[in-house]
Amino acid sequence: GQQVMQIPQYQHVQEGEDFTTYCNSSTTLSNIQWYKQRPGGHPVFLIQLVKSGEVKKQKRLTFQFGEAKKNSSLHITATQTTDVGTYFCAGRGGNKLVFGAGTILRVKS
Amino acid sequence: DTAVSQTPKYLVTQMGNDKSIKCEQNLGHDTMYWYKQDSKKFLKIMFSYNNKELIINETVPNRFSPKSPDKAHLNLHINSLELGDSAVYFCASSQVSQAGQGTQYFGPGTRLLVL
Repeated sequence: GQQVMQIPQYQHVQEGEDFTTYCNSSTTLSNIQWYKQRPGGHPVFLIQLVKSGEVKKQKRLTFQFGEAKKNSSLHITATQTTDVGTYFCAGRGGNKLVFGAGTILRVKS
Repeated sequence: DTAVSQTPKYLVTQMGNDKSIKCEQNLGHDTMYWYKQDSKKFLKIMFSYNNKELIINETVPNRFSPKSPDKAHLNLHINSLELGDSAVYFCASSQVSQAGQGTQYFGPGTRLLVL
């Protein structure tokens, strides 16, 4: 079945450093979504990418969808303490949305 | 004004008991889901209902039985609770009938602890 791998599992950064999490799917995706879950909270939708090679930005966050629509990345520039949480990618193939395992981001101030 | 609500927020119970979690969404979405999140934060889909019909049923013990009385509600009943059932259970909804949509809106979660 469809699998979505996400790395790294954990990342500790110093405030101001950049952060990137990567997602890889075993199959071609129709779209990919990114979610953020704050500690103790619930996943909240960030963005959806649909087109091959698509790049979208939200302030310090940059999202990319690979040309083959099998991989994606989320890059945060100059992390802040408010960025802490778990970032999930979720790839849609067919009628199912499959979540990656998530990357837990900790930011040291 | 809560989009997706779940009750209860916390549930502490003894092994072997039966319990239910309720979920309601007021977004007018046609699809609802139950996810289980373990201590390592892994989000695993359990069930999905579209317009009250079961469309996704992952490998979940048959002690777990979802029920959707209408499009806006999806409840989860768990029989004979086991220690391994301890987790956070998230309800979510989405509108998948529109092309390019399918964003998941999650409820606040139910933190289940089985003793």
